[in-house]
Amino acid sequence: AQSVAQPEDQVNVAEGNPLTVKCTYSVSGNPYLFWYVQYPNRGLQFLLKYITGDNLVKGSYGFEAEFNKSQTSFHLKKPSALVSDSALYFCAVRIRGFKTIFGAGTRLFVKA
Amino acid sequence: DGGITQSPKYLFRKEGQNVTLSCEQNLNHDAMYWYRQDPGQGLRLIYYSQIVNDFQKGDIAEGYSVSREKKESFPLTVTSAQKNPTAFYLCASSVERDYEQYFGPGTRLTVT
Repeated sequence: AQSVAQPEDQVNVAEGNPLTVKCTYSVSGNPYLFWYVQYPNRGLQFLLKYITGDNLVKGSYGFEAEFNKSQTSFHLKKPSALVSDSALYFCAVRIRGFKTIFGAGTRLFVKA
Repeated sequence: DGGITQSPKYLFRKEGQNVTLSCEQNLNHDAMYWYRQDPGQGLRLIYYSQIVNDFQKGDIAEGYSVSREKKESFPLTVTSAQKNPTAFYLCASSVERDYEQYFGPGTRLTVT
């Protein structure tokens, strides 16, 4: 079955430290991968995507993600975390046509 | 100001009543989606529509209905057949060339 896994319910990091939010996937064919962020009681905002090309993808607000085909992973990273980065992060993969499946989400907490 | 609007932000209904959630977009996107978000479960697809007058069931369509009479509008009706309707509902749209989805601010439905 095609799926997306975010193995950590919550990630805690101190402000200024690097952060990583993990995502692994299981899909047939070439994956189209996405990261979205959600602030409380709001809709999701698109951060970045991997469709093809360079394995390191840069996105909004200083975030980047690395596509690793052999490990079927697409981890979200940022070199220096901000308190304002605290939010719920979703990894997603487009599986066919217009259908996308989402991971369960990882809550990032950045402490000042 | 382009984007997706959902109304109302909060909605309260009595059990046994049908309720319709509004979703409008002025992004000229062909595809529109409805998701349900429950704590710890990520987003689950209810219905999606690729073009006007056409829509497909998602993973949890039972107890829901939609229409797509205009490109910019994709209303969702939560019927009395939906056994557990209390949730946060998100509408999204996309254009094929970009793949990522743009989300509305969501409607929180509470049924008592």
